[in-house]
Amino acid sequence: DTGVSQNPRHKITKRGQNVTFRCDPISEHNRLYWYRQTLGQGPEFLTYFQNEAQLEKSRLLSDRFSAERPKGSFSTLEIQRTEQGDSAMYLCASSATGVEAYSYEQYFGPGTRLTVT
Amino acid sequence: GDSVTQMEGPVTLSEEAFLTINCTYTATGYPSLFWYVQYPGEGLQLLLKATKADDKGSNKGFEATYRKETTSFHLEKGSVQVSDSAVYFCALYRGSTLGRLYFGRGTQLTVWP
Repeated sequence: DTGVSQNPRHKITKRGQNVTFRCDPISEHNRLYWYRQTLGQGPEFLTYFQNEAQLEKSRLLSDRFSAERPKGSFSTLEIQRTEQGDSAMYLCASSATGVEAYSYEQYFGPGTRLTVT
Repeated sequence: GDSVTQMEGPVTLSEEAFLTINCTYTATGYPSLFWYVQYPGEGLQLLLKATKADDKGSNKGFEATYRKETTSFHLEKGSVQVSDSAVYFCALYRGSTLGRLYFGRGTQLTVWP
């Protein structure tokens, strides 16, 4: 179990550019989540997948944001036409599903810190 | 809607002091409750959890009891160490078809030797 990994760890981009982040979940986990965390705040939910199906999207996920999980394994989060307000830490998490209590546990990656200049 | 309210930080304590970080929640149904910890420069780590009323979660000397009557899940530790310095987040999970965790704003803890 290597944990949840995210790449890149840091991204600096200019306003208006597109960026893409990748998340690799724990291998046996079929649920994958994206959150955004700004300074001094707790993580805010963006979206989640069960296998390749995107089951829920937050209103925070504007039309400039798109997430995919094409084969039910890794996921990508793309932000088009970045704005300074997009600067944040983007966190990915994964979990198992089932009736057991452990299936509620979400395991987080280290995050990708985005700075939009 | 569902939400979590945490006591505002920062909290500064001397080593071996008693720690309490308050957390209350608003939710329909019977949510599961969690404490996550974020050490400097690292990702969120699950610290402990409770999935039903009166459950006590515990890990690394930290404890929290799920109190449905007061909608609370306060984090406690009897004797903090410098290595406990981190940001602590209380979180709520409402059900298997609603995937999201709802987080509090986090409480910064600094422990001095």
